[in-house]
Amino acid sequence: QKEVEQNSGPLSVPEGAIASLNCTYSDRGSQSFFWYRQYSGKSPELIMFIYSNGDKEDGRFTAQLNKASQYVSLLIRDSQPSDSATYLCASLTGNQFYFGTGTSLTVIP
Amino acid sequence: NAGVMQNPRHLVRRRGQEARLRCSPMKGHSHVYWYRQLPEEGLKFMVYLQKENIIDESGMPKERFSAEFPKEGPSILRIQQVVRGDSAAYFCASSPQQGLETQYFGPGTRLLVL
Repeated sequence: QKEVEQNSGPLSVPEGAIASLNCTYSDRGSQSFFWYRQYSGKSPELIMFIYSNGDKEDGRFTAQLNKASQYVSLLIRDSQPSDSATYLCASLTGNQFYFGTGTSLTVIP
Repeated sequence: NAGVMQNPRHLVRRRGQEARLRCSPMKGHSHVYWYRQLPEEGLKFMVYLQKENIIDESGMPKERFSAEFPKEGPSILRIQQVVRGDSAAYFCASSPQQGLETQYFGPGTRLLVL
């Protein structure tokens, strides 16, 4: 069983809509969770991290964590074409980061 | 304030040769992580190092791969006797302390084995 699982997509949303990206994890000992954005051919960039149950907002981005369900999500409000990228979910368990395979998002102008 | 530096950005090797990938962490960062990303796959953890110490190498293949982070100079990921399956993007990330939210990625080294 993979540590972190994501729907690979692709996910398409129209410009201005809300994009919802989901992630589940298998290890209840995971301490923190991260969302990275990766443009094609580029390195991952950290968007947000979360370690407490509930919501965490930063600008147009909201991360949600539900430890009981072992579920993490990222909402992108007012999606822009520049948000088109692959979004990687990651968990920190002990010394290791475990990454999902990523969800490809396309925002259609 | 320079970010994480990796070189070379692209590396071509023939089967059986050695590949050396270098990573200079951000200033003030003493923790380095190496990851491998295969096409259409996620990032796979390889090794976590601090200066002069390997903390966790559970993600490293048992043979041909080694990593170091000397007191002076960059961290080096070394792949001996490369095979075609080693072709991938290798990313380095650094942080001032273990894990948490401050892990920053370098631009990666794209290794192609012919």
